[in-house]
Amino acid sequence: GIQVEQSPPDLILQEGANSTLRCNFSDSVNNLQWFHQNPWGQLINLFYIPSGTKQNGRLSATTVATERYSLLYISSSQTTDSGVYFCAVEPRDSSYKLIFGSGTRLLVRP
Amino acid sequence: GAGVSQSPSNKVTEKGKDVELRCDPISGHTALYWYRQSLGQGLEFLIYFQGNSAPDKSGLPSDRFSAERTGGSVSTLTIQRTQQEDSAVYLCASSELAGMGQFFGPGTRLTVL
Repeated sequence: GIQVEQSPPDLILQEGANSTLRCNFSDSVNNLQWFHQNPWGQLINLFYIPSGTKQNGRLSATTVATERYSLLYISSSQTTDSGVYFCAVEPRDSSYKLIFGSGTRLLVRP
Repeated sequence: GAGVSQSPSNKVTEKGKDVELRCDPISGHTALYWYRQSLGQGLEFLIYFQGNSAPDKSGLPSDRFSAERTGGSVSTLTIQRTQQEDSAVYLCASSELAGMGQFFGPGTRLTVL
């Protein structure tokens, strides 16, 4: 089955710093989503981004489907950005189930 | 409703007991999904419903797991004869249609003693 790899696995930032999280996937996908799992465990939708670039406030994402990767940019990080960021893809042969990466655990220090 | 809701939020049970977990999807969403999040396995797909039917049950770990959806809305995930390895957070998600963005509920944390 499709493999989804996220890097880095762990990241520590000082408040105000910028960062880039990466998601690589091993096969063609129909769609890709980025989630933030907050310290209470809630998965929050960030982006639904099968291709191209989207921006939402301090966050933006770019997916290059032909090269099988996606990037999540966090600018001017805040302590509330802490948590785990997951990339999830919908494989071409089963466009309903999400296959998740193992996540990037982010800690933003004040 | 405004978002996906799940109940109970926490469930502690003894090994061998049956448990039922409930999911209320976002109103109007036709597709509903169950996932499980555990320390060793990360987030894994369990089952998908389109309306009341479940075209894909391939993610259910064993025949002790079953799920149903009635009226195209509420879904129940049932685990029979629970085992300690069933301990995990069970997450429900819904989407307007299959293949569209999925929205997750807060999860049910299941602990099997």
